[in-house]
Amino acid sequence: EVQLLESGGGLVQPGGSLRLSCAASGFTFNNYAMAWVRQAPGRGLEWVSGVISSGTTYYAASVKGRFTLSRDHSKSTLYLEMNSLRADDTAVYYCARDLDGDLESLDFWGQGTLVTVSS
Amino acid sequence: QSVLTQPPSVSAAPGQKVTISCSGSRSNIGNNFVSWYQHLPGTAPKLLIYDNNKRPSGIPDRFSGSRSGTSATLGITGLQAGDEAEYYCGTWDRSLSAGVFGGGTKLTVL
Repeated sequence: EVQLLESGGGLVQPGGSLRLSCAASGFTFNNYAMAWVRQAPGRGLEWVSGVISSGTTYYAASVKGRFTLSRDHSKSTLYLEMNSLRADDTAVYYCARDLDGDLESLDFWGQGTLVTVSS
Repeated sequence: QSVLTQPPSVSAAPGQKVTISCSGSRSNIGNNFVSWYQHLPGTAPKLLIYDNNKRPSGIPDRFSGSRSGTSATLGITGLQAGDEAEYYCGTWDRSLSAGVFGGGTKLTVL
């Protein structure tokens, strides 16, 4: 059974940093592209970042230069390092697996972890 | 403002059919496959349609998808109370080199 378990969310002050983790199980992690998607309170889904099997990473314009996506194949874990956090980064952050490697379709999602940026 | 445009809400009676539109451009829908997701509050989003019109295992054939040019459509037939949710289209945008979603459509089953 495919499982994605996010952790690392919490309350952080503006300008602070946080690292999210997504522990994957039930599939061969190395073979899949992965992504982070967030949902701010009262807003829709927003694509944040993704990585394909080659290791190439992509970022939304709103987080480029502040967020860094990485993956540890030995631990089957995806990370999102978030720096210079702002109030508008407050959201539930979901980790998701891509269906076929092109970051067009996300077939399994975690339950999400809440990040709150506030003083 | 989302890159992909969806109507904020749609509604229909139980048993009826509803369609949800998603409008984009050549850099996204026009040249990439479209996916559709169902999202209920407090739960993980669920993939309903991928590659414009394919259904993952376990998704009933009441759900269908299509794409024409730079627009896509999700169709739901035989509406049930349990279909009340937010629905999102999504794809890849070649100009942005990033994934994109629509703003979401709230489906109400009357």
